[in-house]
Amino acid sequence: KAGVTQTPRYLIKTRGQQVTLSCSPISGHRSVSWYQQTPGQGLQFLFEYFSETQRNKGNFPGRFSGRQFSNSRSEMNVSTLELGDSALYLCASSFAGLASDEQFFGPGTRLTVL
Amino acid sequence: AQRVTQPEKLLSVFKGAPVELKCNYSYSGSPELFWYVQYSRQRLQLLLRHISRESIKGFTADLNKGETSFHLKKPFAQEEDSAMYYCALKGPAAGNKLTFGGGTRVLVKP
Repeated sequence: KAGVTQTPRYLIKTRGQQVTLSCSPISGHRSVSWYQQTPGQGLQFLFEYFSETQRNKGNFPGRFSGRQFSNSRSEMNVSTLELGDSALYLCASSFAGLASDEQFFGPGTRLTVL
Repeated sequence: AQRVTQPEKLLSVFKGAPVELKCNYSYSGSPELFWYVQYSRQRLQLLLRHISRESIKGFTADLNKGETSFHLKKPFAQEEDSAMYYCALKGPAAGNKLTFGGGTRVLVKP
């Protein structure tokens, strides 16, 4: 079956702009999680959505938001971009979002903020 | 607060030599522990988890609750093991939230 897909793969934005990233989970998966990966901070959890509801949230400012649609596809939005938001954004999907479920990761979206 | 520490940023070994990647964690409770691997130009993927107690690609990991460690070992490293390895923790009440360590880059030399 097809894996997790993320679009776009690369983005270049300038400070102050906003950006929307998209994630399509594996068919049948209802949980989607988002992570930020940077050289300095490593992999950090942003939030998780399950059945269109945010179920868990990491320690990121309110500029970072997300949503999930009825087909389980998810988007994350970052408003008022800062230079420090430059990162690889990964999404991961799992079947039911249980602690025992395996998460499958997408290839990531590389965001560069100038 | 939950935390995962991987003390080595880089491990360089020769082919056929043993390799051990260290992982220590702090969590008040019984977490689930995982090792993820990222090969060059590939996506992050699960290598193994402590609850399955299985060996994947010759790797094993033992959970030591007393020392709060989950070290990854392989007796004979292969060149294809060169990759980035991440130890991760999930609390039972935290849904799908994974807390990752900083990662260890493994380089297996011929």
